Amino acid sequence: AQSVTQLGSHVSVSEGALVLLRCNYSSSVPPYLFWYVQYPNQGLQLLLKYTSAATLVKGINGFEAEFKKSETSFHLTKPSAHMSDAAEYFCAVSDSGYSTLTFGKGTMLLVSP
Amino acid sequence: KAGVTQTPRYLIKTRGQQVTLSCSPISGHRSVSWYQQTPGQGLQFLFEYFSETQRNKGNFPGRFSGRQFSNSRSEMNVSTLELGDSALYLCASGDTYEQYFGPGTRLTVT
Repeated sequence: AQSVTQLGSHVSVSEGALVLLRCNYSSSVPPYLFWYVQYPNQGLQLLLKYTSAATLVKGINGFEAEFKKSETSFHLTKPSAHMSDAAEYFCAVSDSGYSTLTFGKGTMLLVSP
Repeated sequence: KAGVTQTPRYLIKTRGQQVTLSCSPISGHRSVSWYQQTPGQGLQFLFEYFSETQRNKGNFPGRFSGRQFSNSRSEMNVSTLELGDSALYLCASGDTYEQYFGPGTRLTVT
């Protein structure tokens, strides 16, 4: 069975600071990993995905994530936070291209001026 | 390309009633998945349809059902609504390696 753990239900940063959202996964097969963002009253938007190609994945809005098999991690980073980054972020895992996604509990990112 | 659309966006129902939610996937996508999102349980997988066949099912009671039509549009039905069914129901249509989510239907059961 697959699972995802997101450390920290809330993360607060100042505008311009580094954003680091943590995600650890458990999977019995080589995983496909995803980060989604959800703004209030909206659906989920795909930020980036790992599909066994490059371990450093670049996504939209300046976000990137690094797949580390030895640490079973897929942490999301952004060098400089912007006010518009304030949202809830979800890490997800699947065992194939577009099969069932298993989500973490989400991390709310708060950005202060 | 138009995105995933879900109708209605908001719905209020009474306990014991039934409800049908609709999802139109991105043109060309044959896979449609449904997820329930609640503050307590987070995002939970309901079921997935591919070419009109249910390919996968989550751990939900039989009151939750779905179907997919030949044009890939999908519906999910919840019978005998309970207060705990209040949630945001998200539909996603699938392409290789990616799922694209709709805006969701906010169901409130009173």
